[in-house]
Amino acid sequence: NAGVTQTPKFRILKIGQSMTLQCTQDMNHNYMYWYRQDPGMGLKLIYYSVGAGITDKGEVPNGYNVSRSTTEDFPLRLELAAPSQTSVYFCASSMSNQPQHFGDGTRLSIL
Amino acid sequence: RKEVEQDPGPFNVPEGATVAFNCTYSNSASQSFFWYRQDCRKEPKLLMSVYSSGNEDGRFTAQLNRASQYISLLIRDSKLSDSATYLCVVTYAQGAQKLVFGQGTRLTINP
Repeated sequence: NAGVTQTPKFRILKIGQSMTLQCTQDMNHNYMYWYRQDPGMGLKLIYYSVGAGITDKGEVPNGYNVSRSTTEDFPLRLELAAPSQTSVYFCASSMSNQPQHFGDGTRLSIL
Repeated sequence: RKEVEQDPGPFNVPEGATVAFNCTYSNSASQSFFWYRQDCRKEPKLLMSVYSSGNEDGRFTAQLNRASQYISLLIRDSKLSDSATYLCVVTYAQGAQKLVFGQGTRLTINP
C-alpha cells in the first residue's frame, strides 16, 4: 500500500537554489497538505488544497509555492532557498472530515 | 500564547506505570481534537480522536473538557513500545482539516 509518497527523502541545497518537493497519493483523497516541522516543535501548515486546481495558504506560506494540477500530486516549490527553510517537510492527504495520512517526510538542509 | 500548548517533557516512567498528558488550546471555536504519535525521525500517525464524552482504546483514554479548553491522554500499563512523542492536535475547519499541532510531549518508557 503506497499511501502518501514523498520524494526525495533527503536533500542538501545551497542558499539561493530552487527545488521541488514531490508528493503523490493513491487514495483518491480530495485534500492535501504541506507541513514543516522544526526540531522540537510541532508541525506548521504551509499550504493546503481542497481539490485539483485549488490551493490556499496555511500558517507559514512565505518562501513557498504549490500547485495541484491533478488529484494525486501536490508538489511544493522553494524558489530561493534560505537557511530558515531547513526543516523536515511532511505531506499529508485526507478525505473530508477524516484523519490525515502523512508521508515519510523530506529532510531538507540549506547551507 | 500558543494556540495549542503541551508540556514538552521529557517524561521518563518505568514500564507498567500509568502516565497522563495534558494539552490546552486557546481557540474556543476548535472543532475536532486528536492525539497523534510520532516516533523519532518518523511521520506523525493518528493515535486516537478525542470526543466530548471521552473515549477509550485499549490502554489509552482520551478526555476533552471544552469549558476549560483542555485535552488529556492517559496511558495505562505502559509498554516499552509506547516510547514516542505525543502530539496534541486541534482543528478549526470542517472539510479541509487545518490541523494545529502542539509541540509534542516526549515519553520514554524504561525497562
